[in-house]
Amino acid sequence: EPEVTQTPSHQVTQMGQEVILRCVPISNHLYFYWYRQILGQKVEFLVSFYNNEISEKSEIFDDQFSVERPDGSNFTLKIRSTKLEDSAMYFCASGQGVADTQYFGPGTRLTVL
Amino acid sequence: QQQVKQSPQSLIVQKGGISIINCAYENTAFDYFPWYQQFPGKGPALLIAIRPDVSEKKEGRFTISFNKSAKQFSLHIMDSQPGDSATYFCAAISTGANNLFFGTGTRLTVIP
Repeated sequence: EPEVTQTPSHQVTQMGQEVILRCVPISNHLYFYWYRQILGQKVEFLVSFYNNEISEKSEIFDDQFSVERPDGSNFTLKIRSTKLEDSAMYFCASGQGVADTQYFGPGTRLTVL
Repeated sequence: QQQVKQSPQSLIVQKGGISIINCAYENTAFDYFPWYQQFPGKGPALLIAIRPDVSEKKEGRFTISFNKSAKQFSLHIMDSQPGDSATYFCAAISTGANNLFFGTGTRLTVIP
């Protein structure tokens, strides 16, 4: 069964450093998403991406965040200058259509020291 | 602003019992309501979903009940098993939208 994969599983970084989180969505999906989950809290939407551009973003997704689909398979989330409060699990998701079922990857745990 | 409210926060059920988790929403534009199951260290996995044109959907031991007028929906797990112990999230999304709104989660523990 096809699944969303994410790398790395755990990323530790110093405050102020840049990080790139990588995702490989399910191959025939057209919509891609990033969510985050601060420890013990609910899953929060960050951004959605379709047709090589951002289709929607939340208030959390400020100028320090960016997304890219550099090739036909990868989907990345870049945090330009990490802050302590960026520490969270980051989940990539993909779906076939807008408002359709979203399938989540296993997540990347980001720890900012 | 909490678009989807979920209760209880935690739930302990004996093996074989029924687990019930409730959610309520505000936005009447929501028209797709999935439930996700999450094990520690894993991503949310789709469990079952419903659209508001039906009042109930059943898949195996899992049933969603939907009350459109009350803007509430619930997950029932029949014959709960220790392997069902996980965190369950309800969610909602509206047609044409991109972001799922998640509830705050319910940590279910099924005691053998």
